[in-house]
Amino acid sequence: GAVVSQHPSWVICKSGTSVKIECRSLDFQATTMFWYRQFPKQSLMLMATSNEGSKATYEQGVEKDKFLINHASLTLSTLTVTSAHPEDSSFYICSARRDRGYEQYFGPGTRLTVT
Amino acid sequence: AQTVTQSQPEMSVQEAETVTLSCTYDTSENNYYLFWYKQPPSRQMILVIRQEAYKQQNATENRFSVNFQKAAKSFSLKISDSQLGDTAMYFCAFMKQYGNKLVFGAGTILRVKS
Repeated sequence: GAVVSQHPSWVICKSGTSVKIECRSLDFQATTMFWYRQFPKQSLMLMATSNEGSKATYEQGVEKDKFLINHASLTLSTLTVTSAHPEDSSFYICSARRDRGYEQYFGPGTRLTVT
Repeated sequence: AQTVTQSQPEMSVQEAETVTLSCTYDTSENNYYLFWYKQPPSRQMILVIRQEAYKQQNATENRFSVNFQKAAKSFSLKISDSQLGDTAMYFCAFMKQYGNKLVFGAGTILRVKS
């Protein structure tokens, strides 16, 4: 159990467009979801924490108007990169946590390339 | 604020041998959780092993074991009988007991050679 999926796994978009990434918990309800960004051979950088039904909490230095996060249900959180630019190209990973418990379950990640 | 330090950017080991990855952390908390995650070339994060700070006994999962030294704030991972499939980036991570966030170290790239 505790499977998290992400869609799409890879997306290419043109500069100036917006792209949405979905994160779903497939077999459990996730009251909290997390979005990370990872550059090649580097660690995961937490971007924001989202709780179902409330606004996301963004980490310092993360532009909330650029990275829109919506946690609309107990199984779905979305990250929308608005007006994407080449510097937004990265690997985005989500994770989800059950209501009771501390472990985070990770999705397989989404590779975003902005041309 | 908590910090996690992995001082070995890259390591290599021969197949079937044993390797130890180092991790130290800094915190003023007394109760917390520590984790080792594996990220293979597929980039899927996989939990390898976890340790609750209130437990004195070191955690073990098959070929993976930890050496948890609370006073020294050290949490090393030992991989026995290394296999080619162990080749991955390994991250040490910290979480406060009632916290939300995982704090990751910079990672160690482990290459298992045949």
